[in-house]
Amino acid sequence: NAGVTQTPKFRVLKTGQSMTLLCAQDMNHEYMYWYRQDPGMGLRLIHYSVGEGTTAKGEVPDGYNVSRLKKQNFLLGLESAAPSQTSVYFCASSYYQVMNTEAFFGQGTRLTVV
Amino acid sequence: GENVEQHPSTLSVQEGDSAVIKCTYSDSASNYFPWYKQELGKRPQLIIDIRSNVGEKKDQRIAVTLNKTAKHFSLHITETQPEDSAVYFCAAGGGTDKLIFGTGTRLQVFP
Repeated sequence: NAGVTQTPKFRVLKTGQSMTLLCAQDMNHEYMYWYRQDPGMGLRLIHYSVGEGTTAKGEVPDGYNVSRLKKQNFLLGLESAAPSQTSVYFCASSYYQVMNTEAFFGQGTRLTVV
Repeated sequence: GENVEQHPSTLSVQEGDSAVIKCTYSDSASNYFPWYKQELGKRPQLIIDIRSNVGEKKDQRIAVTLNKTAKHFSLHITETQPEDSAVYFCAAGGGTDKLIFGTGTRLQVFP
């Protein structure tokens, strides 16, 4: 049972480049989330999805886009990367509303924008 | 918007001592309060959670208390061990579909 898998694990981008982070879960979870983790700032919610075909903004959505075309996948896109987007990105999923069930995290993606 | 404050940011204790981490939330509609542990280079993992209809919950050496009136909740770790060293995050959810995290506490347990 793989749980939540993120691709890639590491990436270095140049300013202005674009990329897509993939999150895949095999637990048939309805809810999926993208967080970024920066030193001293905890885990900040970027975007989330409450089901296939839905997306919503979190705390820090600017500069990111997401899509949930399939229930098991949640994609995070950076259209024009900036150094401020250097961070560790975590995807998470939960069976139902996060307030009722545990959120399972992926292993993280370390992104550096130079 | 929703906000979760967490203190302290770092905590050092001697093995066998107790550790307490405190959080305050702003959304009065929040009703779910999980705690996650993140070891160095690893993903956050749930260690304990509490819902608003419960004031205290224990699981072996860890316990969580909730004061809804004051919007405070705390994590208590007794008889700390070196393997408890990690970053601990509190979070609050239930007011909306979002789970909002605190800024984390780095706990170091010295042998």
